[in-house]
Amino acid sequence: DIVMTQSPDSLTVSLGERATINCKSSQSVLHSSNDKNYLAWYQQRPGQPPNLLIYWASTRESGVPDRFSSSGSGTDFTLTISSLQAEDVAVYYCQQYYTKPYTFGQGTKLEMK
Amino acid sequence: QITLKESGPTLVKPTQTLTLTCTFSGFSLTTIPEGVGWIRQPPGKALEWLALIHWDDDKHYSPSLKNRLSITKDTSKNQVVLTMTNMDPVDTATYYCARKLALPGNRAFDIWGQGTMVTVSS
Repeated sequence: DIVMTQSPDSLTVSLGERATINCKSSQSVLHSSNDKNYLAWYQQRPGQPPNLLIYWASTRESGVPDRFSSSGSGTDFTLTISSLQAEDVAVYYCQQYYTKPYTFGQGTKLEMK
Repeated sequence: QITLKESGPTLVKPTQTLTLTCTFSGFSLTTIPEGVGWIRQPPGKALEWLALIHWDDDKHYSPSLKNRLSITKDTSKNQVVLTMTNMDPVDTATYYCARKLALPGNRAFDIWGQGTMVTVSS
């Protein structure tokens, strides 16, 4: 199985400040045939199902604010929230869909200072 | 508007078989490249992908649970059914069904149901 490891486990950021979450996969999720990274990011607010933010490692899902961005390739990825808003308080997960099982990271809890 | 909703028992006994139904609307599982998956989340823990069924009946299972899982679709009813045999207390979780992003080769999940909590206890 590809193990997805996120860091940090939790993060406290002030309103309007930048938040950065890292995700590392135990093997590359870059598909050589199409040069795409099979990596997604989700946001899960308390009591809610996950919400897709990013797919193909850097493509923002429709309706997702542009303060959310993601970068990286191969095994190392970063989700950045450029200016934290109150509604961004949530747990964030990365997921690889390169190979079965389509594993998730352990989650990063983002709180506001 | 695309929606999905899970239904099934809230409580099952150890060794029993769990059957969950996902009823969806706003898309068809006969259309390329649609798919519906199941993901679970134990209380306070991370997400775990379980199974995925595609428009062409191609099925993917988590290898660690493959012997216990079965996923089927009924396109006439717009439903996907997940069965999990030999339930154990460690299977206590919220079970979500979700639509696979409708892009070839993409297995991220863009629309999720609200989830159904299943407790395994005698």
